[in-house]
Amino acid sequence: QKEVEQNSGPLSVPEGAIASLNCTYSDRGSQSFFWYRQYSGKSPELIMFIYSNGDKEDGRFTAQLNKASQYVSLLIRDSQPSDSATYLCASTPLSGNTPLVFGKGTRLSVIA
Amino acid sequence: DGGITQSPKYLFRKEGQNVTLSCEQNLNHDAMYWYRQDPGQGLRLIYYSQIVNDFQKGDIAEGYSVSREKKESFPLTVTSAQKNPTAFYLCASSMTGWNSPLHFGNGTRLTVT
Repeated sequence: QKEVEQNSGPLSVPEGAIASLNCTYSDRGSQSFFWYRQYSGKSPELIMFIYSNGDKEDGRFTAQLNKASQYVSLLIRDSQPSDSATYLCASTPLSGNTPLVFGKGTRLSVIA
Repeated sequence: DGGITQSPKYLFRKEGQNVTLSCEQNLNHDAMYWYRQDPGQGLRLIYYSQIVNDFQKGDIAEGYSVSREKKESFPLTVTSAQKNPTAFYLCASSMTGWNSPLHFGNGTRLTVT
């Protein structure tokens, strides 16, 4: 069974700090990776995706991918209380024609 | 504006009744999905469809049924056979292909008493 693992948290960081969210995946053939943010009671919204080894930056967010270690992370710089949410990591299986595999999410709490 | 519309936002039913959740998209996406989310839990895949008139079971299909008669629509029926139907139901769509993200609707919160 292909799995995506995330620490459920909560991860608490002070306002202005860097929040680091981590994700590991079991399918070595996974090709692309997605980070979603989900506020309580709302639906997930896409933040970033990455499919090449290395870093990808978008504003305050940086996604990092290390395929050799099967590890994906999301860094949030200058964390704000509005970043408090659950962050879901998802990967595309090798076949590419089956649905994304989601982790259970990490709950982030940014303390003002 | 393009998007995915789920209706209704809240739905209440008595135990033993079938109920159908609506999902419509105007993004011209080929693939559509239904997920279930319970409090504090991740997303669990119920059914998905990659093309009209075809769909596949996900991880927790028992007690649910779907149809895909039109590209834009993918309704989910929660039958009386579903033992614990109270949950937050999310519909999503995507283009096909390995680098295509899912786009989610706003969800339907179903309560069965």
